[in-house]
Amino acid sequence: DQQVKQNSPSLSVQEGRISILNCDYTNSMFDYFLWYKKYPAEGPTFLISISSIKDKNEDGRFTVFLNKSAKHLSLHIVPSQPGDSAVYFCAASEAGANSKLTFGKGITLSVRP
Amino acid sequence: ETGVTQTPRHLVMGMTNKKSLKCEQHLGHNAMYWYKQSAKKPLELMFVYNFKEQTENNSVPSRFSPECPNSSHLFLHLHTLQPEDSALYLCASSQGDRSNEKLFFGSGTQLSVL
Repeated sequence: DQQVKQNSPSLSVQEGRISILNCDYTNSMFDYFLWYKKYPAEGPTFLISISSIKDKNEDGRFTVFLNKSAKHLSLHIVPSQPGDSAVYFCAASEAGANSKLTFGKGITLSVRP
Repeated sequence: ETGVTQTPRHLVMGMTNKKSLKCEQHLGHNAMYWYKQSAKKPLELMFVYNFKEQTENNSVPSRFSPECPNSSHLFLHLHTLQPEDSALYLCASSQGDRSNEKLFFGSGTQLSVL
């Protein structure tokens, strides 16, 4: 049973507009969340993270929002650029050492010029 | 020179073959990982090594055999694989193996089992 769900497989947005990528989780013990970005023929790269003690973390054009009561997080990219076109993976982990990351299936974002 | 290097990039093998995937990290990290990404599925953790010691085996079949001779190198030995093992195999490293560590991934080996 998937504990991290990215229910929309793809998203297409116009350059300059906002991209909102959603992620839901079922495990209430998760307390650390990350987003990874993957281009074709490359490995995933870390993008941004958030701890459960926060509800927002911002890094340049990228902002992650966490709603613990809804077990939902989202990644906002604004303004979106064609170079943002990639697969975005949501991941989560429980507190403590030796805790593995649980990944979602990923969302393919296409930013149209 | 990239941080995490995987070879080969592509591999086609028969079910009776024996092959090995290689991973090398140049980041001075202490933990290394093997992940499997099948089509339309989440990344699945296979193995974790911390300071050369295996700390996680995520119920992986014995036809996959990891080897970590030192903190910079990680191998995945493959033997009598099945067609359903065809997937992208990703190596990653991190400073430690705690849950809030950032993972640095290699580009992966795209494996096809015929």
